[in-house]
Amino acid sequence: NAGVTQTPKFQVLKTGQSMTLQCAQDMNHEYMSWYRQDPGMGLRLIHYSVGAGITDQGEVPNGYNVSRSTTEDFPLRLLSAAPSQTSVYFCASSWGPNTEAFFGQGTRLTVV
Amino acid sequence: AQSVTQLDSHVSVSEGTPVLLRCNYSSSYSPSLFWYVQHPNKGLQLLLKYTSAATLVKGINGFEAEFKKSETSFHLTKPSAHMSDAAEYFCVVRKENTGFQKLVFGTGTRLLVSP
Repeated sequence: NAGVTQTPKFQVLKTGQSMTLQCAQDMNHEYMSWYRQDPGMGLRLIHYSVGAGITDQGEVPNGYNVSRSTTEDFPLRLLSAAPSQTSVYFCASSWGPNTEAFFGQGTRLTVV
Repeated sequence: AQSVTQLDSHVSVSEGTPVLLRCNYSSSYSPSLFWYVQHPNKGLQLLLKYTSAATLVKGINGFEAEFKKSETSFHLTKPSAHMSDAAEYFCVVRKENTGFQKLVFGTGTRLLVSP
């Protein structure tokens, strides 16, 4: 049972480039989310999904897109990377709205 | 609106001494509170959670936390620190009345354990 798997673990992008951060879970969880972690700021919610085909914005959604075509996968897209998006990104999933959230190991993204 | 404040950015202890990581919360409802731990280059792991049952919550690895409504606090403690406890700890409150478990994180406390 792999839990929540994020790829890649590290990425360097040039300003203006696009990329997709992958997140997959094998626990059949309905709820998935993306957070970014910045020094001194804790984790902040970017986007979330309550099931396949349903997504919504979190606290800091600008510059990011998401979609949820399957229960297992919840990719995060950066259409035009900016240095302000340099951060560590965490994907999380949970079975329901009031159950434990399981986190992936994170993707460290640097935009130069 | 729900929020948490972690009162110390860094805490240093010696191995075998008690650990206290402080967290105050703000919530207009009876909150759901959590402590997560993040070891270097690892994901976040749930240590313990409070969801309006017993006010003293026991978690993994010997950690526990006490919910004190009168003090709006949810401090994390451990009687005796181990070297493997060195990590960053996050106090987290869940936003209520939403269809999704929106977690609000504190800024983190880095625990340093010396031999």
